[in-house]
Amino acid sequence: DAGVTQSPTHLIKTRGQQVTLRCSPKSGHDTVSWYQQALGQGPQFIFQYYEEEERQRGNFPDRFSGHQFPNYSSELNVNALLLGDSALYLCASRESGDSYEQYFGPGTRLTVT
Amino acid sequence: AQSVSQHNHHVILSEAASLELGCNYSYGGTVNLFWYVQYPGQHLQLLLKYFSGDPLVKGIKGFEAEFIKSKFSFNLRKPSVQWSDTAEYFCAVSASYNFNKFYFGSGTKLNVKP
Repeated sequence: DAGVTQSPTHLIKTRGQQVTLRCSPKSGHDTVSWYQQALGQGPQFIFQYYEEEERQRGNFPDRFSGHQFPNYSSELNVNALLLGDSALYLCASRESGDSYEQYFGPGTRLTVT
Repeated sequence: AQSVSQHNHHVILSEAASLELGCNYSYGGTVNLFWYVQYPGQHLQLLLKYFSGDPLVKGIKGFEAEFIKSKFSFNLRKPSVQWSDTAEYFCAVSASYNFNKFYFGSGTKLNVKP
């Protein structure tokens, strides 16, 4: 049973560009959350998707947007990249009726130059 | 807004030493509490969780944590660490009514010397 998978593993972009990161949740999971983990810090909640809609959002600007597909997979899009967007982006999934446990993927390391 | 503080940023222990990592949170309501571990080169894994009931919870690999509501604390303990416990440990909290949104501490890097 595959856990949470994310692609790509690493990505290098230039300031001002746009990026799309992808996440496939653990089998049986229908809720996906995205987190940003800057170097030396803990993960920060970006947003959460359920039933193809953004249900909750953390303190991130509108440059950060997402999408969830009917198969529960999800994308995170970041527009107009800034140097400060360099971080590890984590995807976490859980079953909507589960007892709150989230399973995390390995992350995508984004470097903005 | 909720916040989580982990005061120990880097801990170095010898094998067989006892471990206690501090975690304090700020939130006035009912919370769910978690400890996650990230081994070198691996993704975050759940060590243990607290939702309600017995404030002393046991997790995997001999770890346990105690929820002290009056102190807003959820400290992680292990009586005797092993070299394989070398990892980064993150405390996280979510409001009981909003378990989708986790707030994480900044992490504690544990280095166990063989």
